[in-house]
Amino acid sequence: EAGVTQFPSHSVIEKGQTVTLRCDPISGHDNLYWYRRVMGKEIKFLLHFVKESKQDESGMPNNRFLAERTGGTYSTLKVQPAELEDSGVYFCASSRRDSRASDTQYFGPGTRLTVL
Amino acid sequence: AQSVTQLGSHVSVSEGALVLLRCNYSSSVPPYLFWYVQYPNQGLQLLLKYTTGATLVKGINGFEAEFKKSETSFHLTKPSAHMSDAAEYFCAVILTYTGNTGKLIFGQGTTLQVKP
Repeated sequence: EAGVTQFPSHSVIEKGQTVTLRCDPISGHDNLYWYRRVMGKEIKFLLHFVKESKQDESGMPNNRFLAERTGGTYSTLKVQPAELEDSGVYFCASSRRDSRASDTQYFGPGTRLTVL
Repeated sequence: AQSVTQLGSHVSVSEGALVLLRCNYSSSVPPYLFWYVQYPNQGLQLLLKYTTGATLVKGINGFEAEFKKSETSFHLTKPSAHMSDAAEYFCAVILTYTGNTGKLIFGQGTTLQVKP
């Protein structure tokens, strides 16, 4: 069974540009989470999808971030326009369809975003 | 505010020595507790978790952790360190309030170095 995959693994862009990160969860997992780790800080929650619906987006920093999960499969996270403070590692995680909070979340390798 | 504290951002042990990574949480209600490990260039991998039941939890690779409610702690231990244990370790919690579907709150991470 394939794990959670993320693309690209690295992205270097200039301030003001747009970047789209993609996450493919484990097949059949209805729950999809985005997290971010800014350098030197802890990993922080961004948002949670159940299938294609946003269940909790309380961690999204501002309206420059847009997450979608059309069809309830893969998800994209777009940053437009990117700012220097958006640099960090963006992790995606998925868990199975039971939607219990204690279910194990399986993480992808992350996308390292650098904004110059 | 609820938080997770990992004591020591870097821990160094000799191969064969005891590994002890400390984690304390602050929450009015005991949360679900997790330890994740991240090896270089990989995603986070679950080591173990506590939800209910026995407070001593055994995980993969010989690690275990004990939930101590009175101390609000969930320290991670391994009797004998191996070189392959060198990685970054994250303690995390999920708060158990109604409607929470799995937002992980992470500590700052502890990098474990194992010396030969």
